[in-house]
Amino acid sequence: GNSVTQMEGPVTLSEEAFLTINCTYTATGYPSLFWYVQYPGEGLQLLLKATKADDKGSNKGFEATYRKETTSFHLEKGSVQVSDSAVYFCALTSNTGNQFYFGTGTSLTVIP
Amino acid sequence: EADIYQTPRYLVIGTGKKITLECSQTMGHDKMYWYQQDPGMELHLIHYSYGVNSTEKGDLSSESTVSRIRTEHFPLTLESARPSHTSQYLCASVRGRGSYNEQFFGPGTRLTVL
Repeated sequence: GNSVTQMEGPVTLSEEAFLTINCTYTATGYPSLFWYVQYPGEGLQLLLKATKADDKGSNKGFEATYRKETTSFHLEKGSVQVSDSAVYFCALTSNTGNQFYFGTGTSLTVIP
Repeated sequence: EADIYQTPRYLVIGTGKKITLECSQTMGHDKMYWYQQDPGMELHLIHYSYGVNSTEKGDLSSESTVSRIRTEHFPLTLESARPSHTSQYLCASVRGRGSYNEQFFGPGTRLTVL
């Protein structure tokens, strides 16, 4: 079956620190992989995605590479800002694109 | 920017009341979804639809119903609200076919049942 496991939080970092949030997945076929971000009081927003192995998704300084050999899609950012404080979700789609599977979310707090 | 709307944004209601949470999207997306998000942030799929007159149950569907009479509209109804329904409800939609399209989410409805 399909599932996503991501690093548990909460994570607290100082401003300008390096961020890694681990995400591994189990899937049949060739899923697409996503990172979503949720700010307080809002719905989820797409942060980045990768649709095939070795693709790198990037947006707003965040990056993640689709690693089929390790079934991973870790989120990284070189220098976090206070405004990056949010909850981050790793997700994948089924082969048909009809179903989405989410990790449990990782809460990030960046302190000045 | 995604155009998906949810109303109301906040709702406080007494036990036993019937409520309908509204979700509309103006993007012409065929697939729509309802999720319940618990305080620990995890998302649970309640219902989904692949198009007009199509509805399917998710993991937490037994106490709610949905309808899909129009492409743009996907309301969720709780027949008899209970305190255990207190949660954040998120609606989402997806464009087209294939596994490479992302979901667009509405802002959510925060429901409190007293």
